[in-house]
Amino acid sequence: EAQVTQNPRYLITVTGKKLTVTCSQNMNHEYMSWYRQDPGLGLRQIYYSMNVEVTDKGDVPEGYKVSRKEKRNFPLILESPSPNQTSLYFCASSIMDRYNEQFFGPGTRLTVL
Amino acid sequence: SQQGEEDPQALSIQEGENATMNCSYKTSINNLQWYRQNSGRGLVHLILIRSNEREKHSGRLRVTLDTSKKSSSLLITASRAADTASYFCATVPTGNQFYFGTGTSLTVIP
Repeated sequence: EAQVTQNPRYLITVTGKKLTVTCSQNMNHEYMSWYRQDPGLGLRQIYYSMNVEVTDKGDVPEGYKVSRKEKRNFPLILESPSPNQTSLYFCASSIMDRYNEQFFGPGTRLTVL
Repeated sequence: SQQGEEDPQALSIQEGENATMNCSYKTSINNLQWYRQNSGRGLVHLILIRSNEREKHSGRLRVTLDTSKKSSSLLITASRAADTASYFCATVPTGNQFYFGTGTSLTVIP
């Protein structure tokens, strides 16, 4: 089954404790992206990657890191989480052409205390 | 911000009625897409309209695009209770970033 998977689905952590949210897709998509969703603000793009070893900042990259060492995986790293990073996070992927329908993962709900 | 804005923020209608929601954006685009999100879940792609298209249909969905006004509308005809969800427009301007709107929350009352 074609899908985007994220782990963990739920995470409660404390300020400053490094964490990684994994994202994997099995559709051989070139483009992958991370979003955060907050009430009243919609979805905002954090980082995106157009292919292996190619990553770019989105609208809200501060406090986040990403890597794209393999085509299928695009982990999101929070080196020192803070409470304002409490949010619902989505990973998405799409074929890299000019018109990109995105396929979304199920989401990771992160709470930073 | 280049983020789009949906209007209205919330919409409540009776089953069988049509639902119309609008999206406005700020920059030139390659295409505009509409997505649906059931509460707390991942978004699902509904329809894509290219910048050189004015109208597109898919089942009970009708999307229009007016690039001169930088706006789009999504019409859901003969709504069903299962259409209850949030609907987002997404724009792809000149680069490869995606900009989502803030969403319209649709409630269809059986």
